[in-house]
Amino acid sequence: SQQGEEDPQALSIQEGENATMNCSYKTSINNLQWYRQNSGRGLVHLILIRSNEREKHSGRLRVTLDTSKKSSSLLITASRAADTASYFCATAGAGSARQLTFGSGTQLTVLP
Amino acid sequence: DADVTQTPRNRITKTGKRIMLECSQTKGHDRMYWYRQDPGLGLQLIYYSFDVKDINKGEISDGYSVSRQAQAKFSLSLESAIPNQTALYFCATSDLRGEQYFGPGTRLTVT
Repeated sequence: SQQGEEDPQALSIQEGENATMNCSYKTSINNLQWYRQNSGRGLVHLILIRSNEREKHSGRLRVTLDTSKKSSSLLITASRAADTASYFCATAGAGSARQLTFGSGTQLTVLP
Repeated sequence: DADVTQTPRNRITKTGKRIMLECSQTKGHDRMYWYRQDPGLGLQLIYYSFDVKDINKGEISDGYSVSRQAQAKFSLSLESAIPNQTALYFCATSDLRGEQYFGPGTRLTVT
C-alpha cells in the first residue's frame, strides 16, 4: 500500500510557468521528502521537510507541509523543459524513520 | 548515480530461473534498500538493511531474498522468477537524515 498520493497524476505546462504538485498522506510522519525521476532512471532527492517545519526552499523549489491536513505541496517556479520528469513524495513514519513510503507520482511535462 | 551502482542494467530471464541483482555503493552509508517499480507506479520496498547483521522485510518481500555481504554490497535474489516479477528494480542507500540515493536501476523481464 502507498502512503502518499500525488495530485494531479499528470501536469502539462509551458516553459516559464510555475508547476504545483500536491501530496496527501494518511499517518503521522517524521519527515516528508520529494524526489524526481527522469524516464526509466533512478530517483534523485530534491528536498526534505521535517514534521515541525512548514516551508522550505531550495533554488526554484518551494515545499510546504501542513500536518493538520496531512498534505504537502511542491512548487517549481519558472519551469524549464529540463524539469520534465516524474515527481514523487515519500514519507518517513513518525514511529520509525527507518523506511520511506512512496506515492504514485506526478508526471510533469514542460513544453518549450 | 555513480555512487550507487547496479548490475546487470538489463536482464531477460525465463520463468523458474534463479537470478541475482547486485548493488554496490561508495557513499559509506550503513543503510541500503531494494525497491521495485512497476510502470506508472511509485516504488515498493522489498527489503532493507541497516547494517551487515540487520536485514528487514519490506512490504513485498515474498519471492525475494537478500544478502548483505559487506557494508558496501547488498544483493537481491529471485529464487524462482515468475512473469509478474517483471519490473524495474532500484537499490538505494541513505544517510542518517534519511535522504536516499538511488542507483540507475535494473530492468528485469521474466518470460
